[in-house]
Amino acid sequence: SQKIEQNSEALNIQEGKTATLTCNYTNYSPAYLQWYRQDPGRGPVFLLLIRENEKEKRKERLKVTFDTTLKQSLFHITASQPADSATYLCAPPGNTGFQKLVFGTGTRLLVSP
Amino acid sequence: EPEVTQTPSHQVTQMGQEVILRCVPISNHLYFYWYRQILGQKVEFLVSFYNNEISEKSEIFDDQFSVERPDGSNFTLKIRSTKLEDSAMYFCASRVTNHEQFFGPGTRLTVL
Repeated sequence: SQKIEQNSEALNIQEGKTATLTCNYTNYSPAYLQWYRQDPGRGPVFLLLIRENEKEKRKERLKVTFDTTLKQSLFHITASQPADSATYLCAPPGNTGFQKLVFGTGTRLLVSP
Repeated sequence: EPEVTQTPSHQVTQMGQEVILRCVPISNHLYFYWYRQILGQKVEFLVSFYNNEISEKSEIFDDQFSVERPDGSNFTLKIRSTKLEDSAMYFCASRVTNHEQFFGPGTRLTVL
């Protein structure tokens, strides 16, 4: 079955540094992959989508890469700020065509001032 | 900016009781979803709904669950006879034809 793996340990970094989060997937080949942000007690919020034919996608301080050979996506936040502290979820679609999202466990990012 | 809304924000119920969780998706959206998140665990897909019918459901979505879009604006999730293990945050989501899903703020369901 489809498996999405994210580092379950929290990532602690200092303000101004670049945060890099990893998402690995197995047992399928998604045509695209999305990243969402989730704050405690809130619903996920869409950040970026990257397609299999795109190596890299950027939006302001965010950058996502997609390596279909390694079956891995990396999510970078440059010049991180305390307000970036949240859980970041990797979400490729399911493989049935109705575009449900298959979420990883998420990685909690803590940015210290 | 349009947003998905959900009511109630918190529902407490006794085991065996029926609950209905309500969602108002964004008005021009076509695809609707329910997900749930047990405390400390990942967000899990329950069901997707398109063109007034279920398009896909997970193993979690058994005969105790049902969904309905009764009036073209509301989208409801009913749990017929709640169990302790149904305690979770339930998120409604919707989208148009592109892939980005818009999530509501969630309903926290507590089954005692």
